[in-house]
Amino acid sequence: AQKVTQAQTEISVVEKEDVTLDCVYETRDTTYYLFWYKQPPSGELVFLIRRNSFDEQNEISGRYSWNFQKSTSSFNFTITASQVVDSAVYFCALSEASGANSKLTFGKGITLSVRP
Amino acid sequence: DSGVTQTPKHLITATGQRVTLRCSPRSGDLSVYWYQQSLDQGLQFLIQYYNGEERAKGNILERFSAQQFPDLHSELNLSSLELGDSALYFCASSVGDRGLETQYFGPGTRLLVL
Repeated sequence: AQKVTQAQTEISVVEKEDVTLDCVYETRDTTYYLFWYKQPPSGELVFLIRRNSFDEQNEISGRYSWNFQKSTSSFNFTITASQVVDSAVYFCALSEASGANSKLTFGKGITLSVRP
Repeated sequence: DSGVTQTPKHLITATGQRVTLRCSPRSGDLSVYWYQQSLDQGLQFLIQYYNGEERAKGNILERFSAQQFPDLHSELNLSSLELGDSALYFCASSVGDRGLETQYFGPGTRLLVL
């Protein structure tokens, strides 16, 4: 069975600080996909990134970067120079390539508060 | 804006009632998924449809049902509502039906059962 653990529940930082959100996953599949979604206070779920299990290259997009390490089953998300607009709940999710469906299994989410 | 639309945005109803939530996927997407977000259970997969056919079921109660119509929009029907059904219900869509697909989420329908 697949599982996603986001051990941090709430993080509070001051603007311009860097912050890393941790994600650990479990799956028996050798092919799988990892995702991060952002849920701002308005409530919608916004897609941030998708990574497949064969691509361990780190990715950077502006102030966002992701570190995928299969050896530790982790897919961590770093925000550099955080801003107040980054305040949101962030979800890590997993889907498996095998099987009859492509459901997402989500972690519990991390509430990030960025103070001015 | 993800391109996925959901109506209504808010719904307040009483226990025992029945409601219907509607979702229109992004143009070109054939898969529709329904998820429930509650404080105690987090984000849970309910059901998936692909091109009109049910593809997978998750933790969906028997009181809940869904369908996807020929125009690909989907409806989630919740009946005999209980207080515990109060939650945010999301619809998501993707092009195909495999795990590699990125699912794009609608704004959600916030259901309050009184």
